[in-house]
Amino acid sequence: AQSVTQPDIHITVSEGASLELRCNYSYGATPYLFWYVQSPGQGLQLLLKYFSGDTLVQGIKGFEAEFKRSQSSFNLRKPSVHWSDAAEYFCAVGPRGGYQKVTFGTGTKLQVIP
Amino acid sequence: KAGVTQTPRYLIKTRGQQVTLSCSPISGHRSVSWYQQTPGQGLQFLFEYFSETQRNKGNFPGRFSGRQFSNSRSEMNVSTLELGDSALYLCASSLGGQNEQFFGPGTRLTVL
Repeated sequence: AQSVTQPDIHITVSEGASLELRCNYSYGATPYLFWYVQSPGQGLQLLLKYFSGDTLVQGIKGFEAEFKRSQSSFNLRKPSVHWSDAAEYFCAVGPRGGYQKVTFGTGTKLQVIP
Repeated sequence: KAGVTQTPRYLIKTRGQQVTLSCSPISGHRSVSWYQQTPGQGLQFLFEYFSETQRNKGNFPGRFSGRQFSNSRSEMNVSTLELGDSALYLCASSLGGQNEQFFGPGTRLTVL
């Protein structure tokens, strides 16, 4: 069965500091991997995805993520955090058929302090 | 282009009642998926419909059901509500396959 672990429930960073959100997955084959962001009262928005190819993936809002097969990880990074990045971030894994039956992690809530 | 809309946005029901939630996908999208989001369990996949057919189903009891209409709008129904059904129910639409899912703002269901 596929699963996703986001070990950090809550992270606080200063505005302008760098950010790394951790994600580890368990999947029997090479999965599709996603990062989503959810602002309060909003649905989820896709930040980036990895299907194949270059293991360093660029996304929207200045985010990037690196797929490391040997570590079963797909960590999300941003070099300089803005106050508007405060939100909840979800890592997800899915079968290679696409977005259906995606399994989400429990989320990491990001707080940004001035 | 209008995004995914969900109605109602908020709902309060009591145990034993049933509820119907509605989702209107982005125009042209034929795939609609439903998710339940709770603080304890996170986001869990309920089911996915494509062209009026249920293609995938998560591990939820039969009290949770859904359907999709010819215009791709989808409804999900929960019968005999339990306190544990209190959650944010999210709908997502896509063209299907490897195309991105777009999420609606959700319906917040509270069961008293």
